[in-house]
Amino acid sequence: QVELVESGGGLVKPGGALRLSCGGAGFAFSDYSINWVRQAPGKGLEWVSFINTAATTIKYAASVKGRFTISRDNAKSSVDLQMENLRVEDTALYYCARGEVAFEFWGRGTLVTVSS
Amino acid sequence: EIVLTQSPATLSVSPGERATLSCRASQSVSSHLAWYQQKPGQAPRLLMHDASTRAAGLPPTFSGSGSGTDFTLTISSLQSEDFAVYYCQQYHDWPLTFGGGTKVEIK
Repeated sequence: QVELVESGGGLVKPGGALRLSCGGAGFAFSDYSINWVRQAPGKGLEWVSFINTAATTIKYAASVKGRFTISRDNAKSSVDLQMENLRVEDTALYYCARGEVAFEFWGRGTLVTVSS
Repeated sequence: EIVLTQSPATLSVSPGERATLSCRASQSVSSHLAWYQQKPGQAPRLLMHDASTRAAGLPPTFSGSGSGTDFTLTISSLQSEDFAVYYCQQYHDWPLTFGGGTKVEIK
């Protein structure tokens, strides 16, 4: 069955860094674009970043551009999100979601907490 | 950035009744709109894409309509499992954006 599993979340101080990973199983990972979407506690959804199948198209939300870097390794069926210079407002549950435009399948998320 | 405004923020409906959720875009998104359902403690679930195309396995009690700037998600007869938060999302232009959500609660 289709599965997306996020990992790498945790507690980090403001200004710190964290690397999230999204692993896929049960489908041809290299055939699908992947997004990161986050949800702050008690808040709505915010799209963060997109990477297409060959990593030739990469997009970021303005709130993370210049601080976050998305990459993928199709041989390992994984997409990473390198997060630098983290801010308190980056605290959220980070989901990876499969899809070119609409997000047809989601992982369960990994929690990132930025706090001193 | 395209801003999506959902209304109402909270909708109180009795089981078996119809629920009508609205999503308005700050500029035209053509039909490039999706709807998601999120229950507490769960990831969102895609319900609808291209404004009116149901995701696989979604019952026909859910329907979507609209194009341009005004969209509607209708649940014709609410079941207990339908009480949740619903989000719209546009993919007409970058950055991809979501509406603020409508919580459908039991009246």
